[in-house]
Amino acid sequence: DTEVTQTPKHLVMGMTNKKSLKCEQHMGHRAMYWYKQKAKKPPELMFVYSYEKLSINESVPSRFSPECPNSSLLNLHLHALQPEDSALYLCASSQPGLLLGADTQYFGPGTRLTVL
Amino acid sequence: AQTVTQSQPEMSVQEAETVTLSCTYDTSESDYYLFWYKQPPSRQMILVIRQEAYKQQNATENRFSVNFQKAAKSFSLKISDSQLGDAAMYFCAYWGAQKLVFGQGTRLTINP
Repeated sequence: DTEVTQTPKHLVMGMTNKKSLKCEQHMGHRAMYWYKQKAKKPPELMFVYSYEKLSINESVPSRFSPECPNSSLLNLHLHALQPEDSALYLCASSQPGLLLGADTQYFGPGTRLTVL
Repeated sequence: AQTVTQSQPEMSVQEAETVTLSCTYDTSESDYYLFWYKQPPSRQMILVIRQEAYKQQNATENRFSVNFQKAAKSFSLKISDSQLGDAAMYFCAYWGAQKLVFGQGTRLTINP
């Protein structure tokens, strides 16, 4: 099973809403990632968790709050987002070998977020 | 900072023919990894091929192979016997300093 799942598939929220994106993997991976992908652009790294600890935060605004409750789950909590935050949010996981992130990353299908 | 450049925003090829997608990167590191990922329309991004920089031998995966030129910092992807299912956005990616950096992508169209 090489699947990373993400829920919901689509999300529409207002600028005052609070919502969460969820990601789950059952491959035994201990590194998990959040990426943001705007239309017709490459993914941009937001956060990296290694062994449930936040190891990389790419200077993401605090309106995005990641959480890794256990080794299989990764959440992204959203609050007071702006319309420019509308994008596809991708989750990925990998084995954290000696070089974190150098192993193949397995991506989920993404959550398409629209902020009104 | 490392950068990845894909100079071909779009490519097209006839079914069953061969196509090569270009990628160059800029780094001062000696130890790194290179990837090609495929993102079909509205579908998940999946790994096509991976290359360790310390390996001189070019990676191959069935119909997919790379031409890795370390000195030139070039990492092209060759797709042989193109199939309709190969139609997708292809991203070249560089891993270094714990971070995966993607190029801008090449949209590949397969003509039947």
